[in-house]
Amino acid sequence: KQEVTQIPAALSVPEGENLVLNCSFTDSAIYNLQWFRQDPGKGLTSLLLIQSSQREQTSGRLNASLDKSSGRSTLYIAASQPGDSATYLCALIMEGGKLIFGQGTELSVKP
Amino acid sequence: NAGVMQNPRHLVRRRGQEARLRCSPMKGHSHVYWYRQLPEEGLKFMVYLQKENIIDESGMPKERFSAEFPKEGPSILRIQQVVRGDSAAYFCASSLQVTGELFFGEGSRLTVL
Repeated sequence: KQEVTQIPAALSVPEGENLVLNCSFTDSAIYNLQWFRQDPGKGLTSLLLIQSSQREQTSGRLNASLDKSSGRSTLYIAASQPGDSATYLCALIMEGGKLIFGQGTELSVKP
Repeated sequence: NAGVMQNPRHLVRRRGQEARLRCSPMKGHSHVYWYRQLPEEGLKFMVYLQKENIIDESGMPKERFSAEFPKEGPSILRIQQVVRGDSAAYFCASSLQVTGELFFGEGSRLTVL
């Protein structure tokens, strides 16, 4: 059974810091991996999609990596800003398009 | 191009009533998914539909819950005889391709009194 773990569960950093969020999974038989952010009381916003054949994807200050063999993905946020405060979710895209989510990392960036 | 549209955003029902949640996928997307987020829990898959077909309903409770995606109109998640444990946020997502990038709606928050 596929399990997704995100570490840390919560993170508080001062503005301007670079940070790394971790996601690990138990079964490497995934199609793709997607990172989302969720603001309180809101829906999910797609940040980055990494296809299984890719090693990383970049969008602005965000960089996500994927190592299927070790069952790990990381989301790197450069020069963090208070507006980055949200819950970050890692999701595996499995056969049939079904997503399996981690529990999320709650990020707080202090001005 | 409008995103995934869900309504209502908030719904209050008394125990035993019915709840109907609607989802219009992004234009051109034929794959629709429903997820549930219970308080203090992660998002869990419920059902995957394509037009007029249920592809995978392995995450749906066996009773009281049903979903459809008709040829015309939005996808509907229907919960009959709601109980307090059904209180949750229900999210709809759509994609252009199976295993492609998924886009989520803002969710429908159901409160059962």
